[in-house]
Amino acid sequence: AQKITQTQPGMFVQEKEAVTLDCTYDTSDPSYGLFWYKQPSSGEMIFLIYQGSYDQQNATEGRYSLNFQKARKSANLVISASQLGDSAMYFCAMREGLGSQGNLIFGKGTKLSVKP
Amino acid sequence: GAVVSQHPSWVICKSGTSVKIECRSLDFQATTMFWYRQFPKQSLMLMATSNEGSKATYEQGVEKDKFLINHASLTLSTLTVTSAHPEDSSFYICSAIHGGNRNEQFFGPGTRLTVL
Repeated sequence: AQKITQTQPGMFVQEKEAVTLDCTYDTSDPSYGLFWYKQPSSGEMIFLIYQGSYDQQNATEGRYSLNFQKARKSANLVISASQLGDSAMYFCAMREGLGSQGNLIFGKGTKLSVKP
Repeated sequence: GAVVSQHPSWVICKSGTSVKIECRSLDFQATTMFWYRQFPKQSLMLMATSNEGSKATYEQGVEKDKFLINHASLTLSTLTVTSAHPEDSSFYICSAIHGGNRNEQFFGPGTRLTVL
């Protein structure tokens, strides 16, 4: 079974509007961390936001917020006021075990295209 | 954020030659580094976990004799693709865990390998 599921291969959003990128995860470990990364066409992986499994509040970083619904095992990324530069691949990832140095497990990604 | 560099950023080589890719953590020490491979329009696939001073841990299906990993210091890991073939052409990305509460993982800019 997939540990990280991103059901949207591609998304379009109008510039200045908000967009939600879906991510669901599967783990039996009560301690885990959830990450979102942006990968523009240049290939570099850019860290956007982090949510720990015990965090009570949804994480926010500027225009990025994470809608963390623990019971549903979902960690959707919300980008507000989309900009043309937001066009990129977005990957949701999970690391099992807080404080561990284990590897990240990635979803298949969502390609976001921002229309002017 | 912490900086991870990779060199070279791209390389073209003939079939049968070996190619070495370097991954450096520039402003922090990393006991653990990861090597990923990414095919076009696909997600990152973990190849191996590189541990400073010990042997790398390879994922299932990754040939350790073909993809040699050396983590000689706390700031440098190398991946050598031996006897490269066209099917080894891919985007190779390294990452290192910075540590701290989130064990944030920073990625290098990637190396695009093309084997002719």
